[in-house]
Amino acid sequence: KAGVTQTPRYLIKTRGQQVTLSCSPISGHRSVSWYQQTPGQGLQFLFEYFSETQRNKGNFPGRFSGRQFSNSRSEMNVSTLELGDSALYLCASSPGGTSTIYFGEGSWLTVV
Amino acid sequence: QKEVEQNSGPLSVPEGAIASLNCTYSDRGSQSFFWYRQYSGKSPELIMFIYSNGDKEDGRFTAQLNKASQYVSLLIRDSQPSDSATYLCAVNPADAGGTSYGKLTFGQGTILTVHP
Repeated sequence: KAGVTQTPRYLIKTRGQQVTLSCSPISGHRSVSWYQQTPGQGLQFLFEYFSETQRNKGNFPGRFSGRQFSNSRSEMNVSTLELGDSALYLCASSPGGTSTIYFGEGSWLTVV
Repeated sequence: QKEVEQNSGPLSVPEGAIASLNCTYSDRGSQSFFWYRQYSGKSPELIMFIYSNGDKEDGRFTAQLNKASQYVSLLIRDSQPSDSATYLCAVNPADAGGTSYGKLTFGQGTILTVHP
């Protein structure tokens, strides 16, 4: 069974731009959650989607948004990028009725 | 007080020894507990989860949970150099409605080094 797939893997953006990251969950998994990992703050929860609905949201500004499609694929968007948004963005999927989540390889975002 | 606390380490053990990693959490109602391993430059990999008080063994790994003390630990027996990584403790917060499944709170991680 294929794992969680994230694209793109690496990207460089300029301050003020926006970025969209994509995630394909494990086949059959209906829950997709997103996390940000930085050296200073560690792994922090952004939001979770289940059956196209945002079920939980972390403490991030409104510049961070996401959505989930009917095939469970998910995208997250960050608008008006700031230098501090440079991080590893991780997508994780789970079947939905469990807290056991599996991470993708992540998208490395550098904001310059 | 941080919600999930781990000793940042680094924890250094000789090959073949037992490595003991510890984690405490503040949310007394937390239900599910996880250990992830993260190699440098890679994403976290799930190695153990535990829901009930007591011990849970999987190969060389044993997770221990004590909800009364709000403490969870991971023991790695016969440590190998390939076990050298950052170990992340994660906790699923209490949610009576059962809708917080995908939301985990992570500790800062403990760096483990196993030297030959």
